[in-house]
Amino acid sequence: NAGVTQTPKFQVLKTGQSMTLQCAQDMNHEYMSWYRQDPGMGLRLIHYSVGAGITDQGEVPNGYNVSRSTTEDFPLRLLSAAPSQTSVYFCASSSGTSAAQETQYFGPGTRLLVL
Amino acid sequence: GQQLNQSPQSMFIQEGEDVSMNCTSSSIFNTWLWYKQDPGEGPVLLIALYKAGELTSNGRLTAQFGITRKDSFLNISASIPSDVGIYFCAGQGSGGSYIPTFGRGTSLIVHP
Repeated sequence: NAGVTQTPKFQVLKTGQSMTLQCAQDMNHEYMSWYRQDPGMGLRLIHYSVGAGITDQGEVPNGYNVSRSTTEDFPLRLLSAAPSQTSVYFCASSSGTSAAQETQYFGPGTRLLVL
Repeated sequence: GQQLNQSPQSMFIQEGEDVSMNCTSSSIFNTWLWYKQDPGEGPVLLIALYKAGELTSNGRLTAQFGITRKDSFLNISASIPSDVGIYFCAGQGSGGSYIPTFGRGTSLIVHP
């Protein structure tokens, strides 16, 4: 298993540009989520999904869209990038919501710089 | 916003020293998790705790689920340079929600 994969690893955008951060997992996990990590702020939840076709907002959803058309993929879209979205983005997945299934597996991250 | 208070924010220690860090919350959690993030990588699970009072070890790491279910502790014994990284606590199951809440992290630097 490759686990959780993210592409690209690095990206530089200009203000106003759009892009999609890709996330895929091959563990047949139902639950997937996106976090952003900023210095001193820890991991903040952007959006999450409990299964294909179901998504919901996390703590900091503004400026981001998601969709979950398949179990494997959970892309994160920035429609009009802003400098405040400069961050490191992590995708995570877990198999379920009961104890021992709640453990999340994280991808390697996408480092985004918005100029 | 985040409900977890993780401390200390950073630690600078000598190789061989023991390390302690903790997380406290105003909410009760059913699960406490401790992750480590190596530089340039995503967080990796170290220890999971599922029961109040539970004490679990993973090599030189020991974590405890507080009796009140509002706190957790992580200890690292005899630190080595590869222990360098950011350690995150996370609580799950507050109010029936399975969405984890993460602490802000403890940055650990170990001097050889």
